Amino acid sequence: AQSVTQLDSQVPVFEEAPVELRCNYSSSVSVYLFWYVQYPNQGLQLLLKYLSGSTLVESINGFEAEFNKSQTSFHLRKPSVHISDTAEYFCAVSAGQGAQKLVFGQGTRLTINP
Amino acid sequence: DTGVSQDPRHKITKRGQNVTFRCDPISEHNRLYWYRQTLGQGPEFLTYFQNEAQLEKSRLLSDRFSAERPKGSFSTLEIQRTEQGDSAMYLCASSPLGIGNQPQHFGDGTRLSIL
Repeated sequence: AQSVTQLDSQVPVFEEAPVELRCNYSSSVSVYLFWYVQYPNQGLQLLLKYLSGSTLVESINGFEAEFNKSQTSFHLRKPSVHISDTAEYFCAVSAGQGAQKLVFGQGTRLTINP
Repeated sequence: DTGVSQDPRHKITKRGQNVTFRCDPISEHNRLYWYRQTLGQGPEFLTYFQNEAQLEKSRLLSDRFSAERPKGSFSTLEIQRTEQGDSAMYLCASSPLGIGNQPQHFGDGTRLSIL
């Protein structure tokens, strides 16, 4: 069975500061990894995904994540955050080929202070 | 692409009543998923359809829960004899049939409150 651990439940940072949201997973088979963002009273929006190929994946709004197989991690980073990045961030894993359920971490609430 | 649509957005009901939620996936998506999210937690998988076939159910899905996707398009999730513990956000997601693991697209959810 797969599991995901997001090591920080809350991360407060100042605007324009860098941020890292940590995610570790466990799985006995090959994995696909995702980061989703959730704004208040909304569903989840896909931020970025690792399916195969380059271990560094990027989103259109400046976030990036690196798949590290040896450390079983998929940390999310942004070099300079904005007030609009305030949201809940979820790391998720899906294991094996084909359509599989997503297993989510507990979430990290990112709060950007001016 | 109109996105995944869920109805209603909010449902308040008394304990013991039955409730039904509807999900309309993105039109060309063959796969449809239901998740439950409680306050302060990540979503938990409930069940999954490929076209009209229900292919996997979580042990979280007790016998009071039933999901259908009769024509392979929209899906319904029914909860019978609701309990306080059923209060949660119920999320629907869909994905296309394709090579490898396709990302799931989520609706805005139905928030269920049991009085």
